[in-house]
Amino acid sequence: AQKVTQAQTEISVVEKEDVTLDCVYETRDTTYYLFWYKQPPSGELVFLIRRNSFDEQNEISGRYSWNFQKSTSSFNFTITASQVVDSAVYFCALSEEGGATNKLIFGTGTLLAVQP
Amino acid sequence: ETGVTQSPTHLIKTRGQQVTLRCSSQSGHNTVSWYQQALGQGPQFIFQYYREEENGRGNFPPRFSGLQFPNYSSELNVNALELDDSALYLCASYAQEGLRNEQFFGPGTRLTVL
Repeated sequence: AQKVTQAQTEISVVEKEDVTLDCVYETRDTTYYLFWYKQPPSGELVFLIRRNSFDEQNEISGRYSWNFQKSTSSFNFTITASQVVDSAVYFCALSEEGGATNKLIFGTGTLLAVQP
Repeated sequence: ETGVTQSPTHLIKTRGQQVTLRCSSQSGHNTVSWYQQALGQGPQFIFQYYREEENGRGNFPPRFSGLQFPNYSSELNVNALELDDSALYLCASYAQEGLRNEQFFGPGTRLTVL
């Protein structure tokens, strides 16, 4: 069965703090994709990153970094020097390569509140 | 901007009514998926359409149906609305022949059922 777990429901930090959002996934497939999306109050899902299961290199994009570890089935997301504009709900998602559909399996999301 | 638009932005209906939500995809995106996001939850896959045919469905009853048109627009229809249908409905589109995982989401339609 496919499943994504985001155990942190809400996180509150003060501006400039670093924060890590956890994501654990379950899948029986060997080929799959992992995603992070940001959802501000407006509701639109903003794509942040996609990783495939064969690429375990960590990635850094500005203040954002991602740590993918297949051994622990985790794909964690770190924001360095957080800013108020980072306040949003963040979703981790899983998609499997095979099959007719390309559905995304989302976690329940983590609400990040960055206080000034 | 993802190039995917949805209408209306907000909608209020009463239990038992029917509703149609609309999505306009990017040109060339022949695949569209619909998701339901209840308050405080992650989006749940409803179904996917490819070249105007449904080719995958999540755990949703038949009163949820869809249509996809050749002009890259699509509809989600929900009959016999129930209170639990209150949610944000998102559509996502991509080109099947391209990078399958490059999905683009619209801003969503927030449906309230009273």
